[in-house]
Amino acid sequence: EAGVTQSPTHLIKTRGQQVTLRCSPISGHTSVYWYQQALGLGLQFLLWYDEGEERNRGNFPPRFSGRQFPNYSSELNVNALELEDSALYLCASSHLGWGPNYGYTFGSGTRLTVV
Amino acid sequence: KQEVTQIPAALSVPEGENLVLNCSFTDSAIYNLQWFRQDPGKGLTSLLLIQSSQREQTSGRLNASLDKSSGRSTLYIAASQPGDSATYLCAALHGSGNTGKLIFGQGTTLQVKP
Repeated sequence: EAGVTQSPTHLIKTRGQQVTLRCSPISGHTSVYWYQQALGLGLQFLLWYDEGEERNRGNFPPRFSGRQFPNYSSELNVNALELEDSALYLCASSHLGWGPNYGYTFGSGTRLTVV
Repeated sequence: KQEVTQIPAALSVPEGENLVLNCSFTDSAIYNLQWFRQDPGKGLTSLLLIQSSQREQTSGRLNASLDKSSGRSTLYIAASQPGDSATYLCAALHGSGNTGKLIFGQGTTLQVKP
């Protein structure tokens, strides 16, 4: 079974530019979650999508946005990049319909560097 | 507001030692708690998931316990090996589990010396 896949693995962008990160969940998983891991700040919740809808959002500015497609894959878009956006962006997936036994499976992440 | 704390921040032990990593959370109304491993610059690997109704879970040399009343979880690693060197993160899913938001601790970085 293929795990959660993210692309690209590494990215270098200039301040002010826009970036799109992609995530494919495990087959059968309907929920996709995005987390940011910036140096020294730990893992912070960004967004949760399920069945194509945004279900919850973390404490991030509106320039962080995303969407989920009918095949449950997801994109994270960041506009007007700032130096502080440099981080490892992690995507996770789960299946809410499995009830209390579901857990989160994470991908390997996209390392974004803003210069 | 749910907060998750991990102690110690770093730990160095000789190979073969048994060790315990600690995780505490401020709100006992958790849905489940998950332990992850992260190698430098990599993603997270799920180790164990404990539901709120459970007291412990075991996988190989790993055993995780959950005590909601005291707001604590521990990860026990038996007979540690150099390959266990990594950062270990605990994460709590709050309430009814319908927020989708895992609250992570800052992690414990483990070094197992040969």
